[in-house]
Amino acid sequence: EVQLVESGGGLVQPGGSLRLSCAASGFTFSSYAVNWVRQAPGKGLEWVSFISGSSANIFYADSVEGRFTISRDNAKNSVYLQMNSLRAEDTAVYYCARDVSDCSGGTCYQIRFDPWGQGTLVTVSS
Amino acid sequence: EIVLTQSPDTLSLSPGERATLSCRASQSVSSSYLAWYQQKRGQAPRLLIYGASSRATGIPDRFSGSGSGTDFTLTISRLEPEDFAVYYCQQYGSSPRYSFGQGTKLEIK
Repeated sequence: EVQLVESGGGLVQPGGSLRLSCAASGFTFSSYAVNWVRQAPGKGLEWVSFISGSSANIFYADSVEGRFTISRDNAKNSVYLQMNSLRAEDTAVYYCARDVSDCSGGTCYQIRFDPWGQGTLVTVSS
Repeated sequence: EIVLTQSPDTLSLSPGERATLSCRASQSVSSSYLAWYQQKRGQAPRLLIYGASSRATGIPDRFSGSGSGTDFTLTISRLEPEDFAVYYCQQYGSSPRYSFGQGTKLEIK
């Protein structure tokens, strides 16, 4: 079974740091990119960051650029999100999601997120 | 930046009825890069439709997607009790790499 499991969430003070982990199983991990997506309480989904299978390509949302760092360890089938200088507005459930696409001739199509992990709650508050 | 606007914000229907959810993009989006997700209360999102019209594995055929350019639609032909949830459309673009619509809540009338 293809599965993603997040961990590392918790309560942190404004300005603090936290490191989230996403453990994958059931598929060839290094062949897939992974995204982090967050959802503030009662709000919609916000894409946060992307990392390709080889770590060669990394992207961030403007809201976290310069504060968050995504990385992965293919030997451990895991992706990480290091979050620094946390703000109250970073309070959310953070999901990791596998990035799936059909690629041909260097172009990828049918891009989608499947599956998603169950999420981990990050609360930034004093 | 491409902005996705979903309508309506809330849709109130009864089981057995047909649901039509709209997703409008501020600029043209390739159909290949448009997906729909379902999120039930307290759960992670689940992929329903990708490539604007392809059903994900295990998704019942009462769910269908259509559209092109700036206008996309998710249709649920006959609502089952388990279909009442929040639905999001998503697009892949350049900056930001991905964006989601604000969601449509499908509630029981």
